[in-house]
Amino acid sequence: AQSVTQLDSQVPVFEEAPVELRCNYSSSVSVYLFWYVQYPNQGLQLLLKYLSGSTLVKGINGFEAEFNKSQTSFHLRKPSVHISDTAEYFCAVRDYSGGSNYKLTFGKGTLLTVNP
Amino acid sequence: DTAVSQTPKYLVTQMGNDKSIKCEQNLGHDTMYWYKQDSKKFLKIMFSYNNKELIINETVPNRFSPKSPDKAHLNLHINSLELGDSAVYFCASSQSPQGPYEQYFGPGTRLTVT
Repeated sequence: AQSVTQLDSQVPVFEEAPVELRCNYSSSVSVYLFWYVQYPNQGLQLLLKYLSGSTLVKGINGFEAEFNKSQTSFHLRKPSVHISDTAEYFCAVRDYSGGSNYKLTFGKGTLLTVNP
Repeated sequence: DTAVSQTPKYLVTQMGNDKSIKCEQNLGHDTMYWYKQDSKKFLKIMFSYNNKELIINETVPNRFSPKSPDKAHLNLHINSLELGDSAVYFCASSQSPQGPYEQYFGPGTRLTVT
């Protein structure tokens, strides 16, 4: 079964600093990859997704992520963060190797805290 | 124009009571989901319906029963509430249960059992 590991449960950074949130998944079968953001007291919203093609994907709010098949990773980056980026970030993976796989597997989340 | 809506937003109740949470989506999606998010923010899939058919039924107590009257609605009924049921419950929807389709989440229902 697929599993998703977000290596850092909390990442504190200062405003305007770059940030990388790490995500690794277990299975090397064909996958779709997603990053979601959850602002305080809200539901999750999609930041970006990798389906196929270019391994560097750009999302909303200046975020981007790079798919690395050999390392089974999909790390999220932003070159300069704002206070408003403070939120919980979730990496999610869905296999599409065949069969009836309906589940989107989520990591445990990374709390990004941006300090002034 | 809320895409995925849930009612109520907050629910405080006593142990042993029965309660329901309602979810509606206006995106025209075929698939809907219920997730439970615990105090550590861990998201766990509970159920999913595709075209009113149950396709995901994770290991949850049978006190939890989903109902999908039509493709746009998915309700969650919980019997004999326990302290451990306290969590935020999220409804979500997607165009299809498979493939490259992202899920759209509702704002959540914070359930507190006292």
